[in-house]
Amino acid sequence: DVKVTQSSRYLVKRTGEKVFLECVQDMDHENMFWYRQDPGLGLRLIYFSYDVKMKEKGDIPEGYSVSREKKERFSLILESASTNQTSMYLCASSLTSNTEAFFGQGTRLTVV
Amino acid sequence: DQQVKQNSPSLSVQEGRISILNCDYTNSMFDYFLWYKKYPAEGPTFLISISSIKDKNEDGRFTVFLNKSAKHLSLHIVPSQPGDSAVYFCAARGYNYGQNFVFGPGTRLSVLP
Repeated sequence: DVKVTQSSRYLVKRTGEKVFLECVQDMDHENMFWYRQDPGLGLRLIYFSYDVKMKEKGDIPEGYSVSREKKERFSLILESASTNQTSMYLCASSLTSNTEAFFGQGTRLTVV
Repeated sequence: DQQVKQNSPSLSVQEGRISILNCDYTNSMFDYFLWYKKYPAEGPTFLISISSIKDKNEDGRFTVFLNKSAKHLSLHIVPSQPGDSAVYFCAARGYNYGQNFVFGPGTRLSVLP
């Protein structure tokens, strides 16, 4: 069974803190993605990676960075958290560009 | 400007009846379409997909129809069940658009017992 695991379900951080969101997949997938979900806006792509150490900006990369040192792990970093980064963050992976993406359970981040 | 649109934020259907969720897209380069279901506090779950070379794909109670000329797809759920109550996202990917998926804003389906 496919599995994408995000390290935290809920996080509360203070403005200005550096925040790390971790994601691990056990399916040997090439592609990994970070999305954020906000009401009325659907899922918006922050960054994606199609190989180890490779990364591409998505639609809303500002204020975020990513790291993919190993194939199974994709980390999202908020360099200096701000209140407008309060959101549901979703990690996903897909085997290839022609197959569906599998999602983790999501991390609800609140920045106060 | 949203490339994938779901113009109905919500939909209510009686149990046992058909649910029809609609999705429109603007980018003619999209060639692969997916539907996801999402429960609160959970990640989206893949439901069904369709390639642009087809106009219909069926999986149990779920059928997706694609009308390329109208840039429109729809998800039919027959019969609808209370457990189908969730937010449904339409997503698209284009061969020349990159390897990422573009999602619509979602439609909240409520199936009433």
